[in-house]
Amino acid sequence: GAVVSQHPSRVICKSGTSVKIECRSLDFQATTMFWYRQFPKKSLMLMATSNEGSKATYEQGVEKDKFLINHASLTLSTLTVTSAHPEDSSFYICSATSPSGRTPDTQYFGPGTRLTVL
Amino acid sequence: GENVEQHPSTLSVQEGDSAVIKCTYSDSASNYFPWYKQELGKGPQLIIDIRSNVGEKKDQRIAVTLNKTAKHFSLHITETQPEDSAVYFCAASYNNNDMRFGAGTRLTVKP
Repeated sequence: GAVVSQHPSRVICKSGTSVKIECRSLDFQATTMFWYRQFPKKSLMLMATSNEGSKATYEQGVEKDKFLINHASLTLSTLTVTSAHPEDSSFYICSATSPSGRTPDTQYFGPGTRLTVL
Repeated sequence: GENVEQHPSTLSVQEGDSAVIKCTYSDSASNYFPWYKQELGKGPQLIIDIRSNVGEKKDQRIAVTLNKTAKHFSLHITETQPEDSAVYFCAASYNNNDMRFGAGTRLTVKP
């Protein structure tokens, strides 16, 4: 099956610093990658949609200057949380669509990154 | 846009019993309905999906049914085991950029 990895799995940082999270599709080239945020005991909240070589599309209410997304290749997308604050602490999950020949493509999720900002 | 409602929010069953989780959606254009299982501290894992050209799909102890007319779909887990305990999310979409998730169901299977 399609495998998506995320790195790091857990990060603790000080307030004001920036944190980069990597998302990779390991055995397929992803047509699209997505970034989600999940609060405890809540559903997945889509933050942005990312296509290789183009600017990410952010959901309403998500600050694009705060959450920088770079989609450098068909297998790698990065999310940088800039000037992190305690309220940015959350579980961040990426996903990638594997081409299936049918629309929409199947979406596979990474294992998530737990960000704690002190 | 699409709105997906999921019920129940919590479900507790005895090991060996069946569990059913139901979702309704609002956009009649939606044609793809995946189900994800999320264990504590992990990312969601795709367990089964169905497209609108079929009414039912089965994979061992897991099955999904779809009623396009009524705009609802359900996940059925038979012969539940303690390792089935997790949070389950349904979703609906019609293109690659518009998948919407239900609020989730916390399933507990008691040994």
